[in-house]
Amino acid sequence: DSGVTQTPKHLITATGQRVTLRCSPRSGDLSVYWYQQSLDQGLQFLIQYYNGEERAKGNILERFSAQQFPDLHSELNLSSLELGDSALYFCASSVGQSAYGYTFGSGTRLTVV
Amino acid sequence: GEDVEQSLFLSVREGDSSVINCTYTDSSSTYLYWYKQEPGAGLQLLTYIFSNMDMKQDQRLTVLLNKKDKHLSLRIADTQTGDSAIYFCAEIINDYKLSFGAGTTVTVRA
Repeated sequence: DSGVTQTPKHLITATGQRVTLRCSPRSGDLSVYWYQQSLDQGLQFLIQYYNGEERAKGNILERFSAQQFPDLHSELNLSSLELGDSALYFCASSVGQSAYGYTFGSGTRLTVV
Repeated sequence: GEDVEQSLFLSVREGDSSVINCTYTDSSSTYLYWYKQEPGAGLQLLTYIFSNMDMKQDQRLTVLLNKKDKHLSLRIADTQTGDSAIYFCAEIINDYKLSFGAGTTVTVRA
């Protein structure tokens, strides 16, 4: 157990739907990062939050949004889902900036049918 | 660009050494990392090296860094079946973002 908790582990939904992925960071970690892992794109950085504020955006689609709450858990919202959004979505956390690397959760596997 | 490059596959006999190579892009990266991903699991940080180091050894793992060529390698000594996994090289971009390579799938054969 890495200390980073992601729910749900698996999600199957239809095109056009909206889903919310949840992440609880490791205790004491203030930064949360979201990554998408797909076969064709590899691991793509989506977004980072630090202590409730958005710090950096990567290759995140406009249909996707995220937030970090006062208790530091984070949610990634994916809307108007397309088949191509099927992927593993990872959350990671770190104390501050990521000098010593991130700690990853076990991911949420999203399948859009 | 931000492409970290690494070979996609490596097959090694149990007990031999494995060497996984990686080329990164940002010469200002302060840290470089190796992550391991087993089937159905998240990414596990194996080791990291600070950019002012040439080598770091941690039990069976040896990391070599050639800053001039932006080349990073991971050597696993006495490779075991439990070492079968995907190994990702990663660099820090702009002090906050980990940029990953495509991953090297290591298969350990008996």
